Amino acid sequence: EDKVVQSPLSLVVHEGDTVTLNCSYEVTNFRSLLWYKQEKKAPTFLFMLTSSGIEKKSGRLSSILDKKELFSILNITATQTGDSAIYLCAVDNSSAGNMLTFGGGTRLMVKP
Amino acid sequence: DAGVTQSPTHLIKTRGQQVTLRCSPKSGHDTVSWYQQALGQGPQFIFQYYEEEERQRGNFPDRFSGHQFPNYSSELNVNALLLGDSALYLCASSRTGIEAFFGQGTRLTVV
Repeated sequence: EDKVVQSPLSLVVHEGDTVTLNCSYEVTNFRSLLWYKQEKKAPTFLFMLTSSGIEKKSGRLSSILDKKELFSILNITATQTGDSAIYLCAVDNSSAGNMLTFGGGTRLMVKP
Repeated sequence: DAGVTQSPTHLIKTRGQQVTLRCSPKSGHDTVSWYQQALGQGPQFIFQYYEEEERQRGNFPDRFSGHQFPNYSSELNVNALLLGDSALYLCASSRTGIEAFFGQGTRLTVV
């Protein structure tokens, strides 16, 4: 059975801290790994990773994939209160695409 | 661009009833996927529609069914509602080669 596990379950930090969120997976026919941010309802897309060792970066957020060890990390530097959200990791293992298996999420709270 | 729109935003139903949720995909997208997100959990894939047919299906009973219309919009139907069907139902639209974009979801409460 395909499985995606995220850690930690929750995290409380102060503004300016750096955080690292983890995602490990066991799936058949890996296609891509995606990170989403969920603040209220709609998950919003952050990154799609398909190749090992290539860092994707957007502002203070970055992510990297290790296909040999089957994990990915999401880094957030200089955290702000607006980064408070649930961060979801998902793996697409379908030939047709966009059939996502999600982890349980990491709830991040950034205190002022 | 209105993005992915879902209706209604909230819904309360009684056990045993039937419900229909609706989704309009983002402009230019031809694929619609539905997910169920229980409180405190990650979304779970229900099924995906492409070219008006169910293309992929997750581990959900036949009480969950769907439809896609020629304009790519989609409906999710759930029959014989159970208390355990209470969840946030998310619709995601996409097209080949790009990531899925999610709607705001429909919060379904079964009492």
